[in-house]
Amino acid sequence: SQTIHQWPATLVQPVGSPLSLECTVEGTSNPNLYWYRQAAGRGLQLLFYSVGIGQISSEVPQNLSASRPQDRQFILSSKKLLLSDSGFYLCAWSLGSTITQYFGPGTRLTVL
Amino acid sequence: TQLLEQSPQFLSIQEGENLTVYCNSSSVFSSLQWYRQEPGEGPVLLVTVVTGGEVKKLKRLTFQFGDARKDSSLHITAAQPGDTGLYLCAGLINAGKSTFGDGTTLTVKP
Repeated sequence: SQTIHQWPATLVQPVGSPLSLECTVEGTSNPNLYWYRQAAGRGLQLLFYSVGIGQISSEVPQNLSASRPQDRQFILSSKKLLLSDSGFYLCAWSLGSTITQYFGPGTRLTVL
Repeated sequence: TQLLEQSPQFLSIQEGENLTVYCNSSSVFSSLQWYRQEPGEGPVLLVTVVTGGEVKKLKRLTFQFGDARKDSSLHITAAQPGDTGLYLCAGLINAGKSTFGDGTTLTVKP
């Protein structure tokens, strides 16, 4: 069966510090991978998605970047965090053109 | 621009009551999904609807896709405290990419 992992679960970082969030998927090959950000009690904003290694599409201009160094690994990064980067970050995967996305447990990021 | 509008934003009801939440758009979607999310966790898929006018039932939950495939509703019968959560709808934009509404936060009081 497929599983998706995210870490860390929670993170508190000062403004101006770097960020690296990791997401890995097990039990499947060549998945589509997604990074979303969610404000408290709100919907999901798509940040990045990837259909293959090294292929990243950015949805909104922002202070973040994403990389996919391996087939089942997706990394969200920032060189210098802003207060507005605080939120709940969710990684998800899907297969091919199927619409069902499976979400990880999320990372709660607080920038102080 | 929010493609999917969900209403109401918040809903608080007593156990045993019925409720309906809505997901509306001016755009046509080839398919639409409903997810439920509990605090501190990722969303979990409830259902996918793909045909205009389609109705799907999942125990006490009934999902309907509008005839024009621009809107959907979720009806819960005899709500229970375990139904509490954030209900999100998502519409497929293109292969592999979806847009999400802002969700309805449901609280069912015992």
